[in-house]
Amino acid sequence: GDSVTQMEGPVTLSEEAFLTINCTYTATGYPSLFWYVQYPGEGLQLLLKATKADDKGSNKGFEATYRKETTSFHLEKGSVQVSDSAVYFCALSDLNYQLIWGAGTKLIIKP
Amino acid sequence: KAGVTQTPRYLIKTRGQQVTLSCSPISGHRSVSWYQQTPGQGLQFLFEYFSETQRNKGNFPGRFSGRQFSNSRSEMNVSTLELGDSALYLCASSLDRGRANEKLFFGSGTQLSVL
Repeated sequence: GDSVTQMEGPVTLSEEAFLTINCTYTATGYPSLFWYVQYPGEGLQLLLKATKADDKGSNKGFEATYRKETTSFHLEKGSVQVSDSAVYFCALSDLNYQLIWGAGTKLIIKP
Repeated sequence: KAGVTQTPRYLIKTRGQQVTLSCSPISGHRSVSWYQQTPGQGLQFLFEYFSETQRNKGNFPGRFSGRQFSNSRSEMNVSTLELGDSALYLCASSLDRGRANEKLFFGSGTQLSVL
């Protein structure tokens, strides 16, 4: 079945560092791909998405590119802030439009 | 526009008891999904309701059930609680089924502790 694999956390970085959180997937067909973010004490919220190969999703300085050839959707940000500390979830949409979730990666940014 | 509201925010129960959690979706949203979040298992899908009918169900025992009312508000119930049911229960709403289900709006969750 469809699945999403994310790099294990926690990922700890200093403020202004470059961020990459790896995400790879296995799916039937060509699913839409998503990154959701969960800030402490809150529910998840959609961060960005891409619906087809080579699409780039972006929001709040974060970017991810849909790479069909490597079945990946890595999340990147050029300069992280303390306020980016959160748990990041990669997900895909299956043939029934149900979201299949990765395990989540906790990001800790130190000032 | 109010977001997804879940009540209560925290709940402490003992083994064998039952619990009911409530979720009010964003106004106009007709689909409600429930998830269980634990440190070990991550985010696991429980079920989805639309038009007062369960449309999808995850791999959970029958002790977990839910319902949706005509105003789209939803409740989930867990009977005969076990220690392993301790988790954050998240409710998410979306405008409709199908592709609209890809953009979920989550509540802050109900933290359930089973002692």
